[in-house]
Amino acid sequence: KAGVTQTPRYLIKTRGQQVTLSCSPISGHRSVSWYQQTPGQGLQFLFEYFSETQRNKGNFPGRFSGRQFSNSRSEMNVSTLELGDSALYLCASSLRGQGYNEQFFGPGTRLTVL
Amino acid sequence: GQQVMQIPQYQHVQEGEDFTTYCNSSTTLSNIQWYKQRPGGHPVFLIQLVKSGEVKKQKRLTFQFGEAKKNSSLHITATQTTDVGTYFCAGNLNNDMRFGAGTRLTVKP
Repeated sequence: KAGVTQTPRYLIKTRGQQVTLSCSPISGHRSVSWYQQTPGQGLQFLFEYFSETQRNKGNFPGRFSGRQFSNSRSEMNVSTLELGDSALYLCASSLRGQGYNEQFFGPGTRLTVL
Repeated sequence: GQQVMQIPQYQHVQEGEDFTTYCNSSTTLSNIQWYKQRPGGHPVFLIQLVKSGEVKKQKRLTFQFGEAKKNSSLHITATQTTDVGTYFCAGNLNNDMRFGAGTRLTVKP
């Protein structure tokens, strides 16, 4: 069974730009969660999508948004990038949801904002 | 901000010594998960605890969930160099998984 894939793996952007990250979950998994990981803040929950609906949302500004498609693939968008958005963005898929069973993490997208 | 507190932040041990990391929540958790992240890698699921007072073992790893479901611990007996990494707990607060800050374990051979 293929694991969770994320594209791109690395990204460099400048302040003010926007970025879209993609996540393909494990086949059959309907839940995709997104996390931001930084050395100072650790793993911060962004949002969770389940069957194309946002089920949970963390404490991030509206510049961070996401969506999920009918095939469970998910995208995350960050608009008007700030220096502080530099981080490793991880997505995780699970069968029924992050709170119900184990999450399988992808390798992450490392975003650098200059 | 963080609603699940995890200590210690760092732990350096000699190979063969034991290691423990603790997680505490101010509110009752539905369940708690534990993950391990190797340097340069991504978090990998270790276990989920659901019941009050639950204890689970995986070889040298022992996981506990407190009676009040507000705290949990991971204990590694006789650490090995392969145990190196950061261990995270993730508490389920109303289907919102909140990760602890993690404990980075280094092991000196």
